Amino acid sequence: KAGVTQTPRYLIKTRGQQVTLSCSPISGHRSVSWYQQTPGQGLQFLFEYFSETQRNKGNFPGRFSGRQFSNSRSEMNVSTLELGDSALYLCASSQGGMNTEAFFGQGTRLTVV
Amino acid sequence: GQQLNQSPQSMFIQEGEDVSMNCTSSSIFNTWLWYKQDPGEGPVLLIALYKAGELTSNGRLTAQFGITRKDSFLNISASIPSDVGIYFCAGRPTSGSRLTFGEGTQLTVNP
Repeated sequence: KAGVTQTPRYLIKTRGQQVTLSCSPISGHRSVSWYQQTPGQGLQFLFEYFSETQRNKGNFPGRFSGRQFSNSRSEMNVSTLELGDSALYLCASSQGGMNTEAFFGQGTRLTVV
Repeated sequence: GQQLNQSPQSMFIQEGEDVSMNCTSSSIFNTWLWYKQDPGEGPVLLIALYKAGELTSNGRLTAQFGITRKDSFLNISASIPSDVGIYFCAGRPTSGSRLTFGEGTQLTVNP
């Protein structure tokens, strides 16, 4: 069974631009969660999608948005990029139930210059 | 919201030593997960716990779900250099699906 796939692995963008990151979950998994990881800040929860609906949302500004497609693949978008958005963006895939495991992709390293 | 306190923040040990780290929560959790992350990579799931008091092993790793349901422990026996990395605990509350993560324990193993 294929794991969680995130694309691209690395990205360099300029301030003010926007970016779209993609996450393909494990086959059969309906939940995708997104996290931002920066040095010293740990894993900060962005949002969770389950069956194409946003189920949970973290405390990030509206510049951060996401969506999920009918095949459970998810995208997150960051508009009007700021230098502080430079981070490793991780997605986690799970079946979505209360007692289920979550599996991470390798992440997308975003650098904003 | 839920808070997870993970300790210690960092550990420097000699190869062959045993390691212990733990997480405590202000809320009751019904799931505890332990992950290891190498630099520049995503966290890899090590052990999943679903019942209070549960003790689960994965090779040299052993984790326990505390009986109060507010804490969990991870032990690594006979550490080796490839154990180096950041270890994260994560918990899921009794209501809701969102995982809360600890701040991580940075483990360094000296050969």
